[in-house]
Amino acid sequence: EIVLTQSPGTLSLSPGERATLSCRASQSVSSTFLAWYQQKPGQAPRLLIFGASTRAAGIPDRFSGSGSGTDFTLTISRLEPEDFAVYYCQQYDSSLWTFGQGTKVEIK
Amino acid sequence: QVQLVQSGTEVKKPGSSVKVSCKASGRSVNSYGISWLRQAPGQGLEWMGGFIPMLGTAKYAQKFQGRVTITSDESTSTAYMELGSLRFEDSAVYFCAKASYYYGSETPYGWFDPWGQGTLVTVSS
Repeated sequence: EIVLTQSPGTLSLSPGERATLSCRASQSVSSTFLAWYQQKPGQAPRLLIFGASTRAAGIPDRFSGSGSGTDFTLTISRLEPEDFAVYYCQQYDSSLWTFGQGTKVEIK
Repeated sequence: QVQLVQSGTEVKKPGSSVKVSCKASGRSVNSYGISWLRQAPGQGLEWMGGFIPMLGTAKYAQKFQGRVTITSDESTSTAYMELGSLRFEDSAVYFCAKASYYYGSETPYGWFDPWGQGTLVTVSS
């Protein structure tokens, strides 16, 4: 089973700042099968990025994804008030889906 | 765009079973690769299992093998997840989510979208 480790656990930033979230895999992951989600309290996760770098429909271009192999990054170029939430990375391999433990982006 | 609407909150006793439903709009529910995931309070997301359209059956995470069953009713376009032998630690929000698959293949696109709104299951004596 591929384990995804996200860092940092919590990111304290102010609106307008840049957020950089990391997702590291225990073994190489195909970029095709790497996705990012945003989750707000009491809501279901929302797909942000798929294929490591492609924004889902309706996702603002301040969100971008990059990386390959074992290291992937989600970047929010300028934080808007609605971006403060928990973010999860997810991978698929050999009929098994796994998620990172999440990074909380909170208002400083 | 498909929408997934789940059934409501459940309170169950340890040792019993719970069956959560997920009604899909649009095409046949079996053409969607509906997966089930859960999230314990304050915790992350955990995949439990999902339907593979090409196989016509579900695959399950090893952790839940033998305790979870994923089925569907084409006539009502509804997917179901039944979890048995409930324990206190099964208290969580359960989500259904669509994972699209390449036609005639067991290979998924690689992401979940959309998701149901979630169903809270509480296991309490």
